[in-house]
Amino acid sequence: DTGVSQDPRHKITKRGQNVTFRCDPISEHNRLYWYRQTLGQGPEFLTYFQNEAQLEKSRLLSDRFSAERPKGSFSTLEIQRTEQGDSAMYLCASSLALGTGRNTEAFFGQGTRLTVV
Amino acid sequence: KQEVTQIPAALSVPEGENLVLNCSFTDSAIYNLQWFRQDPGKGLTSLLLIQSSQREQTSGRLNASLDKSSGRSTLYIAASQPGDSATYLCAVNRDDKIIFGKGTRLHILP
Repeated sequence: DTGVSQDPRHKITKRGQNVTFRCDPISEHNRLYWYRQTLGQGPEFLTYFQNEAQLEKSRLLSDRFSAERPKGSFSTLEIQRTEQGDSAMYLCASSLALGTGRNTEAFFGQGTRLTVV
Repeated sequence: KQEVTQIPAALSVPEGENLVLNCSFTDSAIYNLQWFRQDPGKGLTSLLLIQSSQREQTSGRLNASLDKSSGRSTLYIAASQPGDSATYLCAVNRDDKIIFGKGTRLHILP
């Protein structure tokens, strides 16, 4: 297992287009998180899954954003009708769930940098 | 609402110096605290994880401490090197959300 992988690494899209990002977590991890990071800021929480269930969504996740994790493995984050304000780095992380008695360290992917022109 | 603050926002020190990065959080009911490194345009690399029951963790030249009751953590870097230049992020895990500070941009001068 090579860690958390995200695809694509970079995406340039025109305003109004839809985009979809993919995250492949570490295989044994049941938690998967999505974050957004803009320049000079720390990552901001968007949503997280435990297995296939989406347990929480941030207020930052408008109706144009949707995330899925079918079968509790990889996850996708789709942004519909992109706006220039959506330009950011989108980060995915995975970990084991809390309370398992095992290491709950979170590991991040390299991110997808989205530029909306 | 959990808030995480990192001070200073930026730091430049000559190579070889020992340094301390600070992190504070408003809600002490955390499950764990994690320090990350981020190079420009890259993802996050986990450096150290401290469980809420622990006081410190060490990895090589890095030592992280946690004082949960006062809501503080420090990351100590010994004998700094130019390769340590990066942004260092502190994050706390509470209620299954990982909340980040804005980071400290560290520049080690050769």
